[in-house]
Amino acid sequence: EADIYQTPRYLVIGTGKKITLECSQTMGHDKMYWYQQDPGMELHLIHYSYGVNSTEKGDLSSESTVSRIRTEHFPLTLESARPSHTSQYLCASSEYVEAGYTFGSGTRLTVV
Amino acid sequence: QKEVEQNSGPLSVPEGAIASLNCTYSDRGSQSFFWYRQYSGKSPELIMFIYSNGDKEDGRFTAQLNKASQYVSLLIRDSQPSDSATYLCAAHTGTASKLTFGTGTRLQVTL
Repeated sequence: EADIYQTPRYLVIGTGKKITLECSQTMGHDKMYWYQQDPGMELHLIHYSYGVNSTEKGDLSSESTVSRIRTEHFPLTLESARPSHTSQYLCASSEYVEAGYTFGSGTRLTVV
Repeated sequence: QKEVEQNSGPLSVPEGAIASLNCTYSDRGSQSFFWYRQYSGKSPELIMFIYSNGDKEDGRFTAQLNKASQYVSLLIRDSQPSDSATYLCAAHTGTASKLTFGTGTRLQVTL
């Protein structure tokens, strides 16, 4: 069952707009992650969090920012969207990493 | 060298055959290993994890781990067209709070 939710599922937006991709989980997991994935390509970690008020940049440089004010909520913000930001954004959470991640259904972003 | 390596495929197997997907890893400190299945346009879903040497079976799926040789494999018996997807291998190393993913192997099960 999907206990991690991402909204919107699809988003088409114009260049220069500010956008926030939402990710919420109801499992009480401390660890949350944002990945970027282009079609047919590998996952790239862009941000992660160990818990409230903890955020770290991932392996892939990203112009996005994240916040973690509540355990269940880990939004990702792009201040000024560009066509190069067009991609699928996947959120995941984990109680402990040894058990693996649970992924949300993703947000497919298109910047025109 | 990538920390987790997979052949990108596509690996094509006929329906009913055994599909064998392989993954190698470079960090001997890696302790837990995961196989995710990802259908086109969808998010990855966990199908198996393994942390002990040997085999672990779950239905039609068997994960195999050989720490001495640093490889992990996933066998899918009686392959079905619905198994056609990209299979991602991931490793957890030491005290890291994140998984390291391979690039994935695309599996095509043909009729």
